[in-house]
Order: sequence, then structure tokens, then C-alpha cells
Amino acid sequence: AQKVTQAQTEISVVEKEDVTLDCVYETRDTTYYLFWYKQPPSGELVFLIRRNSFDEQNEISGRYSWNFQKSTSSFNFTITASQVVDSAVYFCALSEPLGGNEKLTFGTGTRLTIIP
Amino acid sequence: EADIYQTPRYLVIGTGKKITLECSQTMGHDKMYWYQQDPGMELHLIHYSYGVNSTEKGDLSSESTVSRIRTEHFPLTLESARPSHTSQYLCASSSMGNTEAFFGQGTRLTVV
Repeated sequence: AQKVTQAQTEISVVEKEDVTLDCVYETRDTTYYLFWYKQPPSGELVFLIRRNSFDEQNEISGRYSWNFQKSTSSFNFTITASQVVDSAVYFCALSEPLGGNEKLTFGTGTRLTIIP
Repeated sequence: EADIYQTPRYLVIGTGKKITLECSQTMGHDKMYWYQQDPGMELHLIHYSYGVNSTEKGDLSSESTVSRIRTEHFPLTLESARPSHTSQYLCASSSMGNTEAFFGQGTRLTVV
């Protein structure tokens, strides 16, 4: 069975500091997809990134970057020069192909608070 | 910009009432999902559908039921609401393949 662990329940940093959110996953499949979502106080989940298991290249999008390491089954998310608007709950998720019936398994989320 | 809508956003209802939470998407997605979110943040899949007339139970047992008569519509029904059903319910949809899911804004349900 697939599993996603986000060991950090809550993180607080002062504005402009860098912060890394950890995500460790378990899967028996060789083909899978990893995702990060942001849930602001308004409640909806906002898609941030999708990465397939064959692409270990790190990705950068503005102040956001993602470090995918299959050797340690980790898909960590770093926010550089954090801003108050980054305050939200962040979820890591894993999707395995199950005969075409893929399902997303979410981690328990990390609540990030950026202190002005 | 995701086009998936949930109504109502907030609902307070008495024990024993029947309620239906609405979810509609205009993206033509075949796959739709319902998640229940604890106050402590964790998301649990309670129902999913891969197309019209297809519905499956998720990982978390739920007393709710769903239907998928039209591609764009995936309502969730509670026949008799109880305080234990108090939670946030999030609807999502995605296209076939391991593509990202798009989420609605959620319905925060309180049963008193």
C-alpha cells in the first residue's frame, strides 16, 4: 500500500527566511507520480507541481523549488525568501497507477506560518 | 484556473436531516472524488468515480452515498446527518491518467 509521511506538523519562520517542507513516500510500484498542493485559509487545495517517478530533475518555479530523490524516497519542497502569503497548509501526495484507476494518497499536511 | 464548484460553502443542520452536497465541474473530467478533511487537516478519500454510472468507496468508510448520472455532476448525500459527520468535504476532479486533481472550495458541514 502507498503511504505519504509529512513529519513536520507545523512550521513557523520569520518572513524572508527560507523554509523546507519534507515529504517521504512509500510505494511498491516503479511508476508513480508525486504532487504538492497548497491549502490557503480559504479552503480549496491549489495544485503546485506534479513529478513522475522517472524524472529526478529538480525543479524551480520562482521562489519555489522541489528536490526529488528516489534513493531516499523523498520529495521535499523549499520556499525561498518566504512571504506572509505563503502561510498555508501544504500537502504532499502520491498517485500509483492501479490498472488505470489511479488514486491520490495525501500526507497529513504541514501548516506553515510566516511571521511578518 | 479550475472550474469546479461546490455548494453550499457552509451548512449547519440538525441531527437526523437529509442533506446533499453539490459538486459540479465544467472541465469534462471523467474522474471525480470526494475527500473528508478532519479539523486536524488530514484528507481522507471517501468516494470516487471514473465516469458516468461508476462509483466506488474510498479508503475511509463513510455513511454517505454518491451518484454519477452526468459527467459534470457528483453529488454526495447523507440520509440522516449526525454530529460525527461534522467536517469539511472537498470535491475534486481530474482527467484520465496521472494528472493533477483540481479541487473545489469545499463545504464545511456542521451537524448540531
